[in-house]
Amino acid sequence: GAVVSQHPSRVICKSGTSVKIECRSLDFQATTMFWYRQFPKQSLMLMATSNEGSKATYEQGVEKDKFLINHASLTLSTLTVTSAHPEDSSFYICSAYGLLGTDTQYFGPGTRLTVL
Amino acid sequence: ELKVEQNPLFLSMQEGKNYTIYCNYSTTSDRLYWYRQDPGKSLESLFVLLSNGAVKQEGRLMASLDTKARLSTLHITAAVHDLSATYFCAVDQGGSEKLVFGKGTKLTVNP
Repeated sequence: GAVVSQHPSRVICKSGTSVKIECRSLDFQATTMFWYRQFPKQSLMLMATSNEGSKATYEQGVEKDKFLINHASLTLSTLTVTSAHPEDSSFYICSAYGLLGTDTQYFGPGTRLTVL
Repeated sequence: ELKVEQNPLFLSMQEGKNYTIYCNYSTTSDRLYWYRQDPGKSLESLFVLLSNGAVKQEGRLMASLDTKARLSTLHITAAVHDLSATYFCAVDQGGSEKLVFGKGTKLTVNP
């Protein structure tokens, strides 16, 4: 089946620093990738939609200058949390939707971000 | 705005029992998904339901979709401990592939 990887799986950083999270589709080309955030014991909230070669579309309430998304190729999207603060600590999950003839998104394993 | 409601949010059941989780959504959609999430892990896809009356089964889990009632159910048959997890339904926003998730149902199956 289709595999989506994320790197790193876990990151701890100091307040004020920036953190980059990578999302890769390993065995298929992803026309669209999505970034979600999940706080403890809560559901997933869509942050943004990332399409290869174009600007990301952010959901209402998500600061585009804080969460920078780049979709450089059909297999790679990156999320950079700039000037991270403790309230940005969360589980970030990406998903990829590609030309596989299936009607489903494939989710990455997630990245747990802790900002001290 | 699409809203997705799941109930119950918490479910504790004994092994061997049956139960149903419900997922209601507020606007028309033609795709509904069920996912499983184990603690500290990402989502595992269980079912994709694409049309009214769709029914899919995998092991002890069976999912169905009624698009007229805007309702999906996830039925658990003869639960076993390994089914303990949080189950999410998610609905596609008008074919955009953007998903709106329910709050999840935390299922605990007790021996």
